[in-house]
Amino acid sequence: GQQLNQSPQSMFIQEGEDVSMNCTSSSIFNTWLWYKQDPGEGPVLLIALYKAGELTSNGRLTAQFGITRKDSFLNISASIPSDVGIYFCAGQKGGSNYKLTFGKGTLLTVNP
Amino acid sequence: NAGVTQTPKFQVLKTGQSMTLQCAQDMNHNSMYWYRQDPGMGLRLIYYSASEGTTDKGEVPNGYNVSRLNKREFSLRLESAAPSQTSVYFCASSEWGLNIGLHFGNGTRLTVT
Repeated sequence: GQQLNQSPQSMFIQEGEDVSMNCTSSSIFNTWLWYKQDPGEGPVLLIALYKAGELTSNGRLTAQFGITRKDSFLNISASIPSDVGIYFCAGQKGGSNYKLTFGKGTLLTVNP
Repeated sequence: NAGVTQTPKFQVLKTGQSMTLQCAQDMNHNSMYWYRQDPGMGLRLIYYSASEGTTDKGEVPNGYNVSRLNKREFSLRLESAAPSQTSVYFCASSEWGLNIGLHFGNGTRLTVT
């Protein structure tokens, strides 16, 4: 079953604000991935993290692989209307090359 | 370059009917996956195919069968649909395993009445 706790479940923010969301687990993961899903489409990979402590940016997005390997966070700076969507974290455990565990998602709404 | 293509986009079935969801990728990826997405549940792995000729169960395989027809195509079959299988189904592919993440199709929205 689900082993990733993603929070918050939803966020309503004003355009220009910064956003932070995170995933935590009682299990250790070797890889953390962050996806975004637009309505009616499949998830699209935003950022991949491979090492504990790793901090990676992709434009206005920044994600970190927690030092304990049990958590990760995603920050979005200076939000814009097209940031609207559902953001998912996903983790891959060691010895499980084909199985990702997904969080339940964070629904982001940006008010112009 | 279409990426991952799923057909159909929408389907309504009656309980007990059967159908096959089709998926094809044009990225020469080795691994392919089927997920289902339900409200408040995130994505759950149904079956995956690590490479052509192999298939394995994921987290929620009951009620489904899969076929890796060739390197490009991976189909999901519901032999006797049940209302609990109402969901959005996503096919995904990766070059090899999960190291560089998954590429998803746009989904098939299935309703079983």
